[in-house]
Amino acid sequence: AQSVTQLGSHVSVSEGALVLLRCNYSSSVPPYLFWYVQYPNQGLQLLLKYTSAATLVKGINGFEAEFKKSETSFHLTKPSAHMSDAAEYFCAVSVRTGGFKTIFGAGTRLFVKA
Amino acid sequence: TAGITQAPTSQILAAGRSMTLRCTQDMRHNAMYWYRQDLGLGLRLIHYSNTAGTTGKGEVPDGYSVSRANTDDFPLTLASAVPSQTSVYFCASSPTQAYYGYTFGSGTRLTVV
Repeated sequence: AQSVTQLGSHVSVSEGALVLLRCNYSSSVPPYLFWYVQYPNQGLQLLLKYTSAATLVKGINGFEAEFKKSETSFHLTKPSAHMSDAAEYFCAVSVRTGGFKTIFGAGTRLFVKA
Repeated sequence: TAGITQAPTSQILAAGRSMTLRCTQDMRHNAMYWYRQDLGLGLRLIHYSNTAGTTGKGEVPDGYSVSRANTDDFPLTLASAVPSQTSVYFCASSPTQAYYGYTFGSGTRLTVV
């Protein structure tokens, strides 16, 4: 069975600093991996996805993530944080087991300090 | 703007009453999903539908039912609400079975008292 672990329920960075949100997954078959962002009182929005093509995936708003099979990781990064990046971020893994099954991580809330 | 419409936005419901949360999409996506979001627990799948006419149970289906009479609509019904069903409910869809990622609605905040 697959699972997703997001390390750190809260991350705080200063504006202009590197953003690093950690995600590790477990899957017995090749996974599809996703990052979503949720702003207050809104639904989740797809940031980026890995679907077995390039291991470095670029998404919206300057975010990117790298799939590292040996580390079973899919960490999300952004070189320079903006105040508008403050939100909750969810990592998700989807695998084909008959149909597809998607599991979401518990989420990491990002705080950006001025 | 194409997407998912959920209604109502929020609701306070007396325990024991029934309620239907509505979800409509205009993207002609085959698959639709209902999740509940609770603090510290992330998103948990309640029910899903891979295509019109079919439904399946997710991780936490007890107390909920769904139907998928057509491609666009996927209502979620609480037959007899209990306080533990207080949550934020999100409807989502995808073109096929999640390969492309999901499009989410804005959610329904339900409080059962």
